Amino acid sequence: DQQVKQNSPSLSVQEGRISILNCDYTNSMFDYFLWYKKYPAEGPTFLISISSIKDKNEDGRFTVFLNKSAKHLSLHIVPSQPGDSAVYFCAASPFSSGTYKYIFGTGTRLKVLA
Amino acid sequence: GAVVSQHPSWVICKSGTSVKIECRSLDFQATTMFWYRQFPKQSLMLMATSNEGSKATYEQGVEKDKFLINHASLTLSTLTVTSAHPEDSSFYICSAPNRETDTQYFGPGTRLTVL
Repeated sequence: DQQVKQNSPSLSVQEGRISILNCDYTNSMFDYFLWYKKYPAEGPTFLISISSIKDKNEDGRFTVFLNKSAKHLSLHIVPSQPGDSAVYFCAASPFSSGTYKYIFGTGTRLKVLA
Repeated sequence: GAVVSQHPSWVICKSGTSVKIECRSLDFQATTMFWYRQFPKQSLMLMATSNEGSKATYEQGVEKDKFLINHASLTLSTLTVTSAHPEDSSFYICSAPNRETDTQYFGPGTRLTVL
């Protein structure tokens, strides 16, 4: 049972345009969400997070939106750059339960074309 | 610089041997660490939660006798893949939460290949 889903395995975007990566979750206990970026044969790198008390969090070119009623979050990257090409994972955690245990989505491979 | 290290970064072993992977938090103490496994083109799968001073907590479907976890100190957790088989070949990643900063840091991963 996949509690965190990323339904698009890949996405190609032209440099300078907006990249939108989507993530859906099923467990209503999740209250903290993160996006990670991963290059091949490396560990994930933290990008941005959002807690369930917010519906938007922005950090530079990266913005995460959370729609709790739809159990959906998205990561917007604007403008997209070739260096953003990587696999992006969303992760969710029942943070307020005191655990740092994260459940990861299946990942979306983003390719930014120059 | 890296705040969580893993050693080795890659290992090749023969079927039937055991392999130990270390995960260290470099400048903070971690009472809890997590071990993940990633198959090619797939998500990171949480295998177990490593607890300092007590037994690890394994996720459903993960064999605890196969994947031995020892969290001997506040900065070190080890994962031992016992009697490794080719199907254990994978990319193993650990993570450690820094509770003071509320940030979880991931190690660079260990590529295990079992021949």
